[in-house]
Amino acid sequence: QVQLQESGPGLVKPSETLSLTCTVSGDSITNYHWNWIRQSPGKGPEWIAFIYHSGNTKYNPSLKSRVTISVDTSKNQFALKLSSVTPADTAMYYCARLYSYGSVLWFDPWGQGTLVTVSS
Amino acid sequence: QSVLTQPPSVSGAPGQRLTISCTGSSSNIGALNDVKWYQQLPGKAPKLIIYDNTYRPSGVPDRFSGSKSGTSASLAISGLQAEDEADYYCQSYETSLGGFYVFGTGTKVTVL
Repeated sequence: QVQLQESGPGLVKPSETLSLTCTVSGDSITNYHWNWIRQSPGKGPEWIAFIYHSGNTKYNPSLKSRVTISVDTSKNQFALKLSSVTPADTAMYYCARLYSYGSVLWFDPWGQGTLVTVSS
Repeated sequence: QSVLTQPPSVSGAPGQRLTISCTGSSSNIGALNDVKWYQQLPGKAPKLIIYDNTYRPSGVPDRFSGSKSGTSASLAISGLQAEDEADYYCQSYETSLGGFYVFGTGTKVTVL
């Protein structure tokens, strides 16, 4: 059974960089594309970015200038860095696998999520 | 930043049938991109309940059904049960600006 677990600070100061790590168990990170998705309180999810083990990446245009996603195949982990954060970046951050079934893709499974608050 | 619009809330009595709409545009749902639906229970991560517009993953009750027409999609819940009380989100792929995944604004389903 594939499981994902997010880790990182729950509180980040404005203008600083948010850093999170997702540890994957039950599947090799060399399979599939691995994603970060966030959800602000009371809002719908917002896709942030994905990475493939080769280093191929794709970013949400609205966040691209501030986001870096990376992968560590030796640890079966991938990471997110979001720079110059503001209180608007306060959200639950999820990591998720982009599962493929033929030509159809969906996010499954998701991690349990980690709440990141941006505040001084 | 959601480009897929859903009604904020719908409600119904146990046993009733509900439908949730998801309105997009020619650059996402209308661009032949399939729609997925996720159910989010309180305090939990979203869970896939419909993929490729109409298909249910194994284990999802057949009370849930999906459809798509033009630039919109719908999720129907028939025989509403108390355990269906949750937030529901549609999801597709936006083809503009290089392409990125998009979710709906979300619909809160309340079982009366």
